[in-house]
Amino acid sequence: GAVVSQHPSWVICKSGTSVKIECRSLDFQATTMFWYRQFPKQSLMLMATSNEGSKATYEQGVEKDKFLINHASLTLSTLTVTSAHPEDSSFYICSARAGAGNTIYFGEGSWLTVV
Amino acid sequence: LAKTTQPISMDSYEGQEVNITCSHNNIATNDYITWYQQFPSQGPRFIIQGYKTKVTNEVASLFIPADRKSSTLSLPRVSLSDTAVYYCLVNRNSGNTPLVFGKGTRLSVIA
Repeated sequence: GAVVSQHPSWVICKSGTSVKIECRSLDFQATTMFWYRQFPKQSLMLMATSNEGSKATYEQGVEKDKFLINHASLTLSTLTVTSAHPEDSSFYICSARAGAGNTIYFGEGSWLTVV
Repeated sequence: LAKTTQPISMDSYEGQEVNITCSHNNIATNDYITWYQQFPSQGPRFIIQGYKTKVTNEVASLFIPADRKSSTLSLPRVSLSDTAVYYCLVNRNSGNTPLVFGKGTRLSVIA
């Protein structure tokens, strides 16, 4: 199937700093990517829809100034967690819709730990 | 998007066939049914997707009755490595529509 890759797989940052997570579609172009957050033992929660060349659409309750999303090309979307706090520690997962069959594929996920 | 409902957990012995049923009563005409598998600390992995009747691939089968209000994922001869959370989702055939996850079914395979 199609491949979606995230980087880094895990990152530790100090409270108050910013951290960027990249999501790439490796073998297809994705005009739309989706960002999720998952806490331990819970399901995935949709954060935002990332649209190439335009502003992201955020779900209710997700702070757009804290979780900056940039989708500058057809294969790359980035999520920047600004002024990170320990409560932002979570597993962040991106996904993208591939062409044939309209299947959505997910990245490997990125663990963020804020200390 | 239609809400999906599936059992919270299931247990099975190795070598058995496992069937996980999901209900999606309000599924729309242009919605597909998609199943994902997720292991701890990994992103969901696509298993199978279908629109109606039966779909089979090398991993699983998906049974969808004519009214499409439910679906059943069938995993043949499960092994310990199939222990995971399985999500049933409705996938709208539209570029900007995301998948909305429910709680999923936690399958535990026992030796």
